[in-house]
Amino acid sequence: GESVGLHLPTLSVQEGDNSIINCAYSNSASDYFIWYKQESGKGPQFIIDIRSNMDKRQGQRVTVLLNKTVKHLSLQIAATQPGDSAVYFCAERRSGYSTLTFGKGTMLLVSP
Amino acid sequence: DAGVIQSPRHEVTEMGQEVTLRCKPISGHNSLFWYRQTMMRGLELLIYFNNNVPIDDSGMPEDRFSAKMPNASFSTLKIQPSEPRDSAVYFCASSLILRTGGFGSGYEQYFGPGTRLTVT
Repeated sequence: GESVGLHLPTLSVQEGDNSIINCAYSNSASDYFIWYKQESGKGPQFIIDIRSNMDKRQGQRVTVLLNKTVKHLSLQIAATQPGDSAVYFCAERRSGYSTLTFGKGTMLLVSP
Repeated sequence: DAGVIQSPRHEVTEMGQEVTLRCKPISGHNSLFWYRQTMMRGLELLIYFNNNVPIDDSGMPEDRFSAKMPNASFSTLKIQPSEPRDSAVYFCASSLILRTGGFGSGYEQYFGPGTRLTVT
């Protein structure tokens, strides 16, 4: 029979544009969030994290925004480059637990 | 610094055979996680060790799967007997959790390159 795969949402941008990748998390008790980048054939790579007592955190070319009211997390990438092409996952940690729950991922395609 | 090391990187085996996947976590980390990634289900946590002790194995699919961590620098994930539906990429990740379950630090996990398993 025909198998149904996991259809990732895809964001296509031009090199130099700013990218915004969104994530809705499920548990209001989650108190820690991470963004990972996974390139083809590689393991997920840590990008940036944020605790629930913060609304915004900046790294090099990346910014994570957290809106606890609507349980929404976003990753902003400034001046997107072809090397940013990858699948991006958000992950949340529920308060009291030591494990992470990963989202389904968003594919970012950057064209030159 | 060496990251998480996994071996083999690729494994092709026939249905019914035993498969052993290996992981060396980052030195000094006290927590180790095994994940499975497929197109159908995404990234699934199989089992989590803290200080070499299995803490949560609720994600292990069935009795055919077993995992051990005999010391702080080595873990194995074994599938016996393997089935075609076990075909996936298996990742090992490690972290240094300072306050288990608490609002501390260290929950970020560092992943290995994965083992791509194909069972025919």
